[in-house]
Parts: sequence; structure tokens; C-alpha cells
Amino acid sequence: GDSVTQMEGPVTLSEEAFLTINCTYTATGYPSLFWYVQYPGEGLQLLLKATKADDKGSNKGFEATYRKETTSFHLEKGSVQVSDSAVYFCALIPGTGFQKLVFGTGTRLLVSP
Amino acid sequence: NAGVTQTPKFQVLKTGQSMTLQCAQDMNHEYMSWYRQDPGMGLRLIHYSVGAGITDQGEVPNGYNVSRSTTEDFPLRLLSAAPSQTSVYFCASSSGVGQPQHFGDGTRLSIL
Repeated sequence: GDSVTQMEGPVTLSEEAFLTINCTYTATGYPSLFWYVQYPGEGLQLLLKATKADDKGSNKGFEATYRKETTSFHLEKGSVQVSDSAVYFCALIPGTGFQKLVFGTGTRLLVSP
Repeated sequence: NAGVTQTPKFQVLKTGQSMTLQCAQDMNHEYMSWYRQDPGMGLRLIHYSVGAGITDQGEVPNGYNVSRSTTEDFPLRLLSAAPSQTSVYFCASSSGVGQPQHFGDGTRLSIL
């Protein structure tokens, strides 16, 4: 079945460090790929998305590229801030059938000053 | 902009009690879903709806009921609460196939 695998956290970085959170997926057809962010005590917010191979999603300095050949959608940011501390979820919507989101288990990011 | 509104935000129940978690959206979205979030397991789909009068089971439907009488509302009912249902519950909606989902702020539910 469809699944998403994320790197386990927590990821601990100093402010202005480079961030990579790995995400790989298994899916039939051509899924749409998403990154969601969850700040403490809040719901999930869409961070970025990509709907076809080689698309690059970007928002708030974060980027991820849809790589069909490696079935990956790694999240990157060049210079993290303390305010980026949150849990990040990689997710997909299968290419066929009901568009239910399939989530990874989440990666907690902790950024220190 | 209200978006997706969930009530209550917190609830404590005793084993065997029943309750309804409310979810309302004001974006005229056809698709609505309920998820539960448990530590180390991400979010898992409980039930979903593709429009008023149409519902279906997700990954973990046992112990929960849903109905969708209007486009706006999608309540989740716990029939007889069990400690295993202690979790954070999220409602989400989207406008169509392949579109991102908009989430409410969640309901934190504890079953004693």
C-alpha cells in the first residue's frame, strides 16, 4: 500500500544551520506530495506541495523537490531560525481513488539560538 | 477567516461514556476527514466524506461513527469510550482531488 517514511527525530540544530529532513514514499500511480508543519498546541499547516515529477515546492525559505526516480521529497532550508522549531510531516495523496492523506510519522526540529 | 473549527478543544471522559466531537468548515469544501494523532504514529485516517450524505471508513474506524447531513458539518461520535481512544483528533477539509487539506486545531481527548 501507499506509505511515507521520514527520518526519525529530533533534529537539533543551531540557528542559521542548514536543514535537511529526509522523506521517501511508496505509492502507485503519480501521487501528490506535501510537507505539513505543526507548531506546539496547534493543528497542521500546509508548508509546501508538489504535484508531479521534478516540481519544486517552496514556502518561507523551505524547499522540496519531487524526485520520482528516487521516490523522495526531502525538505531543505538554508538557514533555520528558532521560530522554525516544530514537527514536520511528509505526506502524500495517492494518484488514484479517494484523496486521503497518507502521513509519515513526523520529525521534530529543535533550533537553538 | 474561521476555516475548520473543532469543538471542544479538550475533553476528559470515563470509560464507557459516549460523546461527539464537532467539526465545521466554512469554505464549502466537499471533502472532510477525521484523523487521530498518536505519538510515533503520525496521523491515521478514521473516517472520511466526499460530500453530504456520503461517508466511508478510513484506516482505524472501529469505535467511531460519523454522519454528514450538511456540507459544513462532520461530527465524530465515540459510542463507548475506551482508554485506547485517548488521542488528539483532527478534522480536515479540502476542495477536491489532489488538493491540500486544511486542518482544525484539534481536540485533545483523554479516556480514564
